[in-house]
Amino acid sequence: AQSVTQPDIHITVSEGASLELRCNYSYGATPYLFWYVQSPGQGLQLLLKYFSGDTLVQGIKGFEAEFKRSQSSFNLRKPSVHWSDAAEYFCAARTNFGNEKLTFGTGTRLTIIP
Amino acid sequence: GAVVSQHPSRVICKSGTSVKIECRSLDFQATTMFWYRQFPKKSLMLMATSNEGSKATYEQGVEKDKFLINHASLTLSTLTVTSAHPEDSSFYICSARVGWENEQFFGPGTRLTVL
Repeated sequence: AQSVTQPDIHITVSEGASLELRCNYSYGATPYLFWYVQSPGQGLQLLLKYFSGDTLVQGIKGFEAEFKRSQSSFNLRKPSVHWSDAAEYFCAARTNFGNEKLTFGTGTRLTIIP
Repeated sequence: GAVVSQHPSRVICKSGTSVKIECRSLDFQATTMFWYRQFPKKSLMLMATSNEGSKATYEQGVEKDKFLINHASLTLSTLTVTSAHPEDSSFYICSARVGWENEQFFGPGTRLTVL
């Protein structure tokens, strides 16, 4: 079955430190991959997406993600986090043909400490 | 950028009543809209997919007679929770997409509390 796994439920990072949020997928073929951010009580905002091509994807708010086919991973990174980055982060995937539903990971809650 | 709105943002109702939630794509025409449910500190669960002018496709385990979805136009989809019960209390989020290859744009969500 198709699935998206985010191994880390909660991560705490100091402001200014680097960040990496992990995401692994299990699909028959390479899916389209997405990272979304959700602030408390809000909807989801797209940070970045990978369809094909360059495996290092740049997104908004200084985020980037690297697609690694060999590891079935699409980890999100940011070199220096800001207090405003505290939120819930969701990795998602969908097939690139036919059934186009998004499958979400369980999310990683990011806490920023001063 | 593409904007999706939801109304209301928050609703409290009594058990047994029905509640309608609207999802609108404000600056684009959405061929497909999706309805998700999110429990506290949980991920999003897709409830149904709706295409304009056709019946919604419900995910397994979602009661179509309880969660009525109407997608009457390319900019509006509605979710009606019929005969709501406390266990229907949740955060409901819609999203809209143009074309199957394009990204989904999410609404801000609606917090439903059933007393």
